[in-house]
Amino acid sequence: GAVVSQHPSWVICKSGTSVKIECRSLDFQATTMFWYRQFPKQSLMLMATSNEGSKATYEQGVEKDKFLINHASLTLSTLTVTSAHPEDSSFYICSVTPGTTTYEQYFGPGTRLTVT
Amino acid sequence: GENVEQHPSTLSVQEGDSAVIKCTYSDSASNYFPWYKQELGKGPQLIIDIRSNVGEKKDQRIAVTLNKTAKHFSLHITETQPEDSAVYFCAAGDDKIIFGKGTRLHILP
Repeated sequence: GAVVSQHPSWVICKSGTSVKIECRSLDFQATTMFWYRQFPKQSLMLMATSNEGSKATYEQGVEKDKFLINHASLTLSTLTVTSAHPEDSSFYICSVTPGTTTYEQYFGPGTRLTVT
Repeated sequence: GENVEQHPSTLSVQEGDSAVIKCTYSDSASNYFPWYKQELGKGPQLIIDIRSNVGEKKDQRIAVTLNKTAKHFSLHITETQPEDSAVYFCAAGDDKIIFGKGTRLHILP
């Protein structure tokens, strides 16, 4: 499998501030990365597909101006939660896919965000 | 869009026995069916996957079966061990996958 890192692993921030989460593909270049959100004891919900060099594709109901995604290189995608509120508290997980001819997704360890 | 149903939500089996988790999907265009294991506080780990042109796949104690006609697929874990305790997610799709709600598997000593 692939090695994917996320930073930070956990973060606490105050309401109204912004938080940036990094996702790195450590052993291959990833044209496409995905961002998911997971509430406690629930499933993973796809938020957006991050494409290197182009705008991210957001799922229905996900505010693109609140969850800013930047995929500036083939090994790094960032998710910025802007003007965070307590309801944004969640576990955010990224995944990478090795290429365009395969569907496997390899997940990072996740980032737990708590907004106070 | 795709909708994935997963059962049961919780499963307890005696160590050494087999565990079976079942999923159904709605979109006949889905071609890829992975299974993930997630331990507390960690990201999901891909444990096995199957594509629509294959009916069954096995990797040591883990096997997955797919019935495209009925739109259902299952995960089978044999000779369960304590370290198999975790939450298991099925998913369906292709370049984009939709997850089931998960099954919390408890291996009883």
